[in-house]
Amino acid sequence: AQTVTQSQPEMSVQEAETVTLSCTYDTSESDYYLFWYKQPPSRQMILVIRQEAYKQQNATENRFSVNFQKAAKSFSLKISDSQLGDAAMYFCAYCNSGGYQKVTFGTGTKLQVIP
Amino acid sequence: NAGVTQTPKFQVLKTGQSMTLQCAQDMNHEYMSWYRQDPGMGLRLIHYSVGAGITDQGEVPNGYNVSRSTTEDFPLRLLSAAPSQTSVYFCASRAFPGALSSPLHFGNGTRLTVT
Repeated sequence: AQTVTQSQPEMSVQEAETVTLSCTYDTSESDYYLFWYKQPPSRQMILVIRQEAYKQQNATENRFSVNFQKAAKSFSLKISDSQLGDAAMYFCAYCNSGGYQKVTFGTGTKLQVIP
Repeated sequence: NAGVTQTPKFQVLKTGQSMTLQCAQDMNHEYMSWYRQDPGMGLRLIHYSVGAGITDQGEVPNGYNVSRSTTEDFPLRLLSAAPSQTSVYFCASRAFPGALSSPLHFGNGTRLTVT
């Protein structure tokens, strides 16, 4: 079974600065998808960014980008120019290519943005 | 478009009571799933379904039952509630079979307290 590890339970960043959230995963598959979701205090789950394992180019969505290291099984999220609205729980997730394509989540990182 | 609708938003049960959490989606998604979210544990998969009549267990299925009679609905049943089932429950759906890039679409969650 796949596992997803987020080793940073909490992080903080100054407004306008850059922060990187870590995620590692364990899998024997070669094709899969990785996601980052954001959960603000409203409890809503929001897709931030996604990355296909076969794409070498790192995904970017405005101020959000990833550093995908397939050999190291690492998938970190970089948030540039942090804003107060970025304060939330961030979950890393893995979707396997085989079977019913279940999605496995990490334990989350709580990001605090300091004004 | 309503997306994924979960009811109720909040629920308090006494130990031993039963209840059903409702989930409906209007995106014609074959894949539907239930997660529970607990502090420090992330989102853990309870049960999932890839179409009417097809369900399977996730990593924490004990104490929960599901069935899938239509594409739209995927209710989660607690047969005899226990305090350990106090949690926030999320229903999520995605296109299946389809591209791995298809993200999960989440409901707004149900906060369940068992006393």
